[in-house]
Amino acid sequence: AQSVSQHNHHVILSEAASLELGCNYSYGGTVNLFWYVQYPGQHLQLLLKYFSGDPLVKGIKGFEAEFIKSKFSFNLRKPSVQWSDTAEYFCAVNAEAPGRRALTFGSGTRLQVQP
Amino acid sequence: DGGITQSPKYLFRKEGQNVTLSCEQNLNHDAMYWYRQDPGQGLRLIYYSQIVNDFQKGDIAEGYSVSREKKESFPLTVTSAQKNPTAFYLCASSIRVWRTGKKLNTEAFFGQGTRLTVV
Repeated sequence: AQSVSQHNHHVILSEAASLELGCNYSYGGTVNLFWYVQYPGQHLQLLLKYFSGDPLVKGIKGFEAEFIKSKFSFNLRKPSVQWSDTAEYFCAVNAEAPGRRALTFGSGTRLQVQP
Repeated sequence: DGGITQSPKYLFRKEGQNVTLSCEQNLNHDAMYWYRQDPGQGLRLIYYSQIVNDFQKGDIAEGYSVSREKKESFPLTVTSAQKNPTAFYLCASSIRVWRTGKKLNTEAFFGQGTRLTVV
C-alpha cells in the first residue's frame, strides 16, 4: 500500500526566511506527485505537480519542489516566505498501482509565518 | 463557472440518524472522490469512483455509503454505523488521461467542503 509522510507538523518562520517542507512516499513504481495548499477558510488548491520530465517543478506563488526518486522524496521549497503563505500544506501521491486509483495524502504541515 | 459544489456547508445531525452530503461537478470529470479531514491526520480517502455506476472503498469506508448514478454527482451518506462522524468532508474530482499506454488520473480539484457535526 502506498503511504505519504510529512515529518514537519507545524513550522513557524519569520517573513523572508527560506522554507523547505519534507515529503516522503512509499511506493516503488511510477508515481505522480502533488503539493496542495489550504489557506484558512478556503478550499484545497494545487500548488504544483510532477508527472514526468524535469524533477524540479515550479508552481504558483514562487513555490518549487524537487522529485528525488532515489530518496522517494518530493520536498517543497520557497526561498523567501511571506505572511500570506500562512496555511496548511499537503503532499499527495498518486501511484498507478492495481486496485488504487486515488490520491493518498500526507498528514499536512501547518505553516505559520510571523511578520 | 466550472467547479465542484458541495452542500450544505455546515450540517448538524443527531446521533443515530443517517445524513447525505451532496457533491456535484460540472467539469465533465470521470473520477470523483470523498475524503475526510481531521486535525493532524490529513485527508483520508473514504470512497472513490472512476466511472458511472462503479465505486471503490477507500481507507476508511466503514459507516459510509455512496452512489454514482450520474457522472456529475457523487453523494455520500454518513450512516449511524459511523462511530465518529464529526469531521470536515471534502469531495474532489479529476480527469483521466492516456499516458504511456495507461489511463491515469490527473490532479484532483476540490469542493469547499461540508463540516458535519453530530449533536
